[in-house]
Amino acid sequence: GAGVSQSPSNKVTEKGKDVELRCDPISGHTALYWYRQSLGQGLEFLIYFQGNSAPDKSGLPSDRFSAERTGGSVSTLTIQRTQQEDSAVYLCASSLTRDTGSLNEQFFGPGTRLTVL
Amino acid sequence: AQSVSQHNHHVILSEAASLELGCNYSYGGTVNLFWYVQYPGQHLQLLLKYFSGDPLVKGIKGFEAEFIKSKFSFNLRKPSVQWSDTAEYFCAVKTGGGADGLTFGKGTHLIIQP
Repeated sequence: GAGVSQSPSNKVTEKGKDVELRCDPISGHTALYWYRQSLGQGLEFLIYFQGNSAPDKSGLPSDRFSAERTGGSVSTLTIQRTQQEDSAVYLCASSLTRDTGSLNEQFFGPGTRLTVL
Repeated sequence: AQSVSQHNHHVILSEAASLELGCNYSYGGTVNLFWYVQYPGQHLQLLLKYFSGDPLVKGIKGFEAEFIKSKFSFNLRKPSVQWSDTAEYFCAVKTGGGADGLTFGKGTHLIIQP
């Protein structure tokens, strides 16, 4: 597609429920990134994928968070047993590569606004 | 771990005023530097970027930024702002190794008064 797409655009859930957020990167982009944007923390990097693998998961806030990417394309971020502090906008970005240089410019999607009641 | 500091959290200017938003980062190695903008209700968009070469980079909408390696700075400038520049501005750093995500500053909320 023309840009990074994310779904849903808004998600309201009850505390304790699981949620799944989806990201569809720009076609041909091998690297995919998840970020979280919240009032108190600003923009935080969560995890990246190169192809289908995520070499470093240390940015995920807790073990309730997991992410996967299949077929080198679509990625899902899953939050289990959601808590109110998980409320934020979850942003996805993609880039052609993950190396330094101009090809690693990240293009962002519109985000998913998650509200945990 | 690297960090990014944006000195001004809120800036209010009148149209036609000059703008400079500060950004400092802490990392001693090779960096790629970015300024992103988020207009109200829209997603993050790239304003400009520095990878190598000329430290003065020009971006969209008349913005420019200067990379000063000795000061670990990458300040954003615009000689004459417009009402449509009202937005949130984020400075970001990507380092050559280690974690590959961008490290963002906390952002500067810029309001331009007509």
